Amino acid sequence: AQKITQTQPGMFVQEKEAVTLDCTYDTSDQSYGLFWYKQPSSGEMIFLIYQGSYDEQNATEGRYSLNFQKARKSANLVISASQLGDSAMYFCAMSPATGTASKLTFGTGTRLQVTL
Amino acid sequence: DGGITQSPKYLFRKEGQNVTLSCEQNLNHDAMYWYRQDPGQGLRLIYYSQIVNDFQKGDIAEGYSVSREKKESFPLTVTSAQKNPTAFYLCASSTGQGYYSNQPQHFGDGTRLSIL
Repeated sequence: AQKITQTQPGMFVQEKEAVTLDCTYDTSDQSYGLFWYKQPSSGEMIFLIYQGSYDEQNATEGRYSLNFQKARKSANLVISASQLGDSAMYFCAMSPATGTASKLTFGTGTRLQVTL
Repeated sequence: DGGITQSPKYLFRKEGQNVTLSCEQNLNHDAMYWYRQDPGQGLRLIYYSQIVNDFQKGDIAEGYSVSREKKESFPLTVTSAQKNPTAFYLCASSTGQGYYSNQPQHFGDGTRLSIL
């Protein structure tokens, strides 16, 4: 079974500063995928970034980067130059590598508030 | 534009009543999913389907049913057997191709279901 833990229920960051959202995971699989999603107050889930367990380099997508430490089983999301529009819930999720459907296991999320 | 359409946005259920949530996608994705989100929690998988006319139970399938008669459509029925149906329901789809399930899921805007 796979498990995702997000220990920060809420975070505050000032505009233009960087922030790190923590995510640890537990799995017995050798191959797996890690995802981060953003959920604004309107409710839709927006895909941000993906990291494969065998990827040697940390994933980056614009202002988002994933700090992947496989030995520690952590996959923290780093948002650089925070903007007011970044205020939302952020969810870490993982999928097994086997099978054709990427069944996702989600964490409980972190609510990020960007302040002026 | 390609995407996932969920309807209705809000739905109310009476005691003993079955209700059906609609999910349609025009992304030509093979795999579709239904998730339930309770306040302050992450998403939990109800059902998923990898191909037409095939679907599997997720982690919390009791009290729910689905069908997949068309590639584009994956309706979810919340039956009277689901005693606590009040939640936010999200439908998603993914290409589901390849052994390594690294394809992100694309989500609809969700349906909020409440008990009258």
